[in-house]
Amino acid sequence: DVKVTQSSRYLVKRTGEKVFLECVQDMDHENMFWYRQDPGLGLRLIYFSYDVKMKEKGDIPEGYSVSREKKERFSLILESASTNQTSMYLCASSSTTGYTFGSGTRLTVV
Amino acid sequence: GNSVTQMEGPVTLSEEAFLTINCTYTATGYPSLFWYVQYPGEGLQLLLKATKADDKGSNKGFEATYRKETTSFHLEKGSVQVSDSAVYFCALSRSYGNKLVFGAGTILRVKS
Repeated sequence: DVKVTQSSRYLVKRTGEKVFLECVQDMDHENMFWYRQDPGLGLRLIYFSYDVKMKEKGDIPEGYSVSREKKERFSLILESASTNQTSMYLCASSSTTGYTFGSGTRLTVV
Repeated sequence: GNSVTQMEGPVTLSEEAFLTINCTYTATGYPSLFWYVQYPGEGLQLLLKATKADDKGSNKGFEATYRKETTSFHLEKGSVQVSDSAVYFCALSRSYGNKLVFGAGTILRVKS
């Protein structure tokens, strides 16, 4: 069964910590995305990548960075976590045949 | 830029009622359009899609028609069930496989 795997389902971090959210897909998809989901705001695009070592800013990149060293892995990095980054984070991958979403990581910054 | 606007919720219906969730979009060209559903405690699932004007997407009794003239993709179901209670997201992509732009989501609650 093809899938997108996010490393943690729930995560609690302290303000100021550097946080890594990992995402791995097994479908050989070229495209990968990071979204955050907040009630009433839907899903907002943070960063995306259409190829290895390539990255582009989405709509809300401030406070985040990403890394894509291998085709199957796309990491989201919170350089210095803040309480306003408490959210659900969803990773997705896609090709011309469709999109697949991970189960999400609920991050709480305290 | 590209954007999606969907009706605010929550929408509360009785079982077997007719459902419409409105979705309109702004985009250049001919985007692909999607409806996703998120059941409580679960991830995002594709409900249906349409990739060109006048296409009708359908799945699990839900339907939506790609209307270029009104830039709309309204979701409908003739008879809802309690199990349809979820959050529904309308989305578009400039071309299939590229980044998705989502609406804010509409909470649907169905009472027995």
